[in-house]
Amino acid sequence: AQSVTQLGSHVSVSEGALVLLRCNYSSSVPPYLFWYVQYPNQGLQLLLKYTTGATLVKGINGFEAEFKKSETSFHLTKPSAHMSDAAEYFCAVSEAGRRALTFGSGTRLQVQP
Amino acid sequence: SQTIHQWPATLVQPVGSPLSLECTVEGTSNPNLYWYRQAAGRGLQLLFYSVGIGQISSEVPQNLSASRPQDRQFILSSKKLLLSDSGFYLCAWSVWAPGGENTIYFGEGSWLTVV
Repeated sequence: AQSVTQLGSHVSVSEGALVLLRCNYSSSVPPYLFWYVQYPNQGLQLLLKYTTGATLVKGINGFEAEFKKSETSFHLTKPSAHMSDAAEYFCAVSEAGRRALTFGSGTRLQVQP
Repeated sequence: SQTIHQWPATLVQPVGSPLSLECTVEGTSNPNLYWYRQAAGRGLQLLFYSVGIGQISSEVPQNLSASRPQDRQFILSSKKLLLSDSGFYLCAWSVWAPGGENTIYFGEGSWLTVV
């Protein structure tokens, strides 16, 4: 069975600081991995995804994530936080042939001025 | 391009009343369709998914039901709402990519408050 663990339900950074949101997964087969962002009172927007190939994936809004198979991790990073990055971020995993994603419990990112 | 529409955006309903949330997808055919629920301060819970007209899979037993009367229409219903049904409901769609990857795209969500 696949599962996702997001370490830290709340993360606070200063504007301009590095953003690091952690995600670990378990999967019995090579996974597909996703990060979504949710702004208040809105649906989820796809930030980036890893399917195959390059393990460093670049997404929208300057975010990127690196798939590390040995660590079963897919951490999300951004070199310099912006106030507009304040939102909730969800990591998700899927296996080939599965119809639905399994989501982590989410990490709320706060950006301090 | 594909778009997904979900309505109503906000709903306040008394306990015991019926519910109908609707979702339509445009710009694609034969999508997988999903209903997720997000309770306050919690993650996403998959409620139903559908791979075709009239084909519904339920992930969690509850007093909600789903129907897919047309290829790109997905409806979430209840005959009698409970207080615990309050939450943010998200419709979503996907199509299979080569290799079995299944990226899911979400609608804007519907806030349901049961009072």
